[in-house]
Amino acid sequence: DAGVTQSPTHLIKTRGQHVTLRCSPISGHKSVSWYQQVLGQGPQFIFQYYEKEERGRGNFPDRFSARQFPNYSSELNVNALLLGDSALYLCASSSGQEGAEAFFGQGTRLTVV
Amino acid sequence: LAKTTQPISMDSYEGQEVNITCSHNNIATNDYITWYQQFPSQGPRFIIQGYKTKVTNEVASLFIPADRKSSTLSLPRVSLSDTAVYYCLVGAGGYQKVTFGTGTKLQVIP
Repeated sequence: DAGVTQSPTHLIKTRGQHVTLRCSPISGHKSVSWYQQVLGQGPQFIFQYYEKEERGRGNFPDRFSARQFPNYSSELNVNALLLGDSALYLCASSSGQEGAEAFFGQGTRLTVV
Repeated sequence: LAKTTQPISMDSYEGQEVNITCSHNNIATNDYITWYQQFPSQGPRFIIQGYKTKVTNEVASLFIPADRKSSTLSLPRVSLSDTAVYYCLVGAGGYQKVTFGTGTKLQVIP
């Protein structure tokens, strides 16, 4: 069984550009969450989707957006990239049931230059 | 969401048992306690989850007192490969968002 897969694994972008990160959850999981992890810190919550609806949003600017598709995969979009957006972006999937643990992908390392 | 407090770092010799305690004074009735392990440049990996009393699996044990205001992750006989950051999280799980704290950086010494 495949785990949570994220693409691409690494990415280099220039300030002001746009980026799209992709996530495929574990088969059968309906919940996908996105996190940003800056070097030396714990992951910070960005978005959570369940059954294609946004269920939670962290303290991030409107430059960050996301969506979930009918097959439960998800995209995270970041516009007008800043140097401070350089981080490891993590996707987590869960069944959506109360008490269910979240399984994380390996992340996408985004570097903004 | 309940805030968690953990030691920033711990050192342990190989082969010893390691106990990492997490405080979560305002835990809600429907909150679960979950621990994750993270290696550099990798996604967090689920270790163990519990609601009350004691939970044990093949890699760790989780002790939760009756008031549930704290929990202790116990790693038996650690090895060098257990060097990682360990996060304690509190929440209802499922489709609820997960909030990470600063984590505990465990360094296992040969």
